[in-house]
Amino acid sequence: DVKVTQSSRYLVKRTGEKVFLECVQDMDHENMFWYRQDPGLGLRLIYFSYDVKMKEKGDIPEGYSVSREKKERFSLILESASTNQTSMYLCASSLGGRGNEQYFGPGTRLTVT
Amino acid sequence: LAKTTQPISMDSYEGQEVNITCSHNNIATNDYITWYQQFPSQGPRFIIQGYKTKVTNEVASLFIPADRKSSTLSLPRVSLSDTAVYYCLVGDGNSGGGADGLTFGKGTHLIIQP
Repeated sequence: DVKVTQSSRYLVKRTGEKVFLECVQDMDHENMFWYRQDPGLGLRLIYFSYDVKMKEKGDIPEGYSVSREKKERFSLILESASTNQTSMYLCASSLGGRGNEQYFGPGTRLTVT
Repeated sequence: LAKTTQPISMDSYEGQEVNITCSHNNIATNDYITWYQQFPSQGPRFIIQGYKTKVTNEVASLFIPADRKSSTLSLPRVSLSDTAVYYCLVGDGNSGGGADGLTFGKGTHLIIQP
């Protein structure tokens, strides 16, 4: 089975802190994704990466950056956390093309106070 | 950008067949149609994918008309455990080139009653 793991299930940070969310997949997938999910807004794509060191902006990249130094690991970085970044963050991975099946991690519930 | 439109919510009863339709008027030649299911506090889970006509697996069927401007996810004989949010995505098999085909949107909240 494909396994996508995220570093934390729950995280509480203060406004202005730098926050790292880590995601690891074990199936040698080329693509990795970061989404956030908020009530009434569904899942929104923040960034995705289709290869090591490659990244592309999604629908809502503002306030976030990403890093992919190794194929299996994709990090989401909040340079200076704000309360409006309180959300559920979901990581996913997939083989090959953008239309291919994505496998999701369990999510990280981030609260910024 | 192949945007999708789905109903916000649907209700049905145990044992019924449920059909959820997704509109994607701007679907491109290389685009596939993929459906996901999401339960509360979990990430979405792949259900089925198709390109044209009909696809069936152990969980669901996917009907795609000839013009491919819409698709219908069919869940046979639903149970209470099928209560979830269902998302329709349209995207091609290429890597890179933007976020096309990676927009989940708000999905359809399906509620199954006893």
